[in-house]
Amino acid sequence: GIQVEQSPPDLILQEGANSTLRCNFSDSVNNLQWFHQNPWGQLINLFYIPSGTKQNGRLSATTVATERYSLLYISSSQTTDSGVYFCAVPVNYGGATNKLIFGTGTLLAVQP
Amino acid sequence: KAGVTQTPRYLIKTRGQQVTLSCSPISGHRSVSWYQQTPGQGLQFLFEYFSETQRNKGNFPGRFSGRQFSNSRSEMNVSTLELGDSALYLCASSLWGAEQFFGPGTRLTVL
Repeated sequence: GIQVEQSPPDLILQEGANSTLRCNFSDSVNNLQWFHQNPWGQLINLFYIPSGTKQNGRLSATTVATERYSLLYISSSQTTDSGVYFCAVPVNYGGATNKLIFGTGTLLAVQP
Repeated sequence: KAGVTQTPRYLIKTRGQQVTLSCSPISGHRSVSWYQQTPGQGLQFLFEYFSETQRNKGNFPGRFSGRQFSNSRSEMNVSTLELGDSALYLCASSLWGAEQFFGPGTRLTVL
């Protein structure tokens, strides 16, 4: 099945720094989601980005589907950005599917 | 529009008991999926339902089961609980094949 890898596994930043998180996937996908897991465990939707670039405030994401990777950019990081970031892709059953395969996550700690 | 809700938020059970978790999707969403998150295994797919039919099932033992009602609300049941079933259980709702939205989760502790 499809493999999803994220890097780096851990990242420590000073407040105000920028960072780039990477998600590689082993097969073609028709969409990709980025999530931030808050300290209480809820997965917060960041981006739904099958291809191209999207921006939302200090966060932006780029997916290059032909090269099978996606990048999440965090600029001017804040302590509230701390947590685990996951990317997830749907299993390709040849049609629409709701089964997501998650990467192992990047644990981000932003220090004041 | 209200988000995905899950009840209860926390549960403590003992080995051998059974448990039922509930998930109410976003209004209009007919697809509900369930995931288990543990420190060792990460986020793993349990099963998904669409219009009361199970569409996909993950690699979990038969002790894990689920169902979906006509109002799209879903329940999952775990029978004969084991220590290893301690986990955060997350449910997600979506329109079929589209962006998924997760609930706050149910944290199950098995003693």
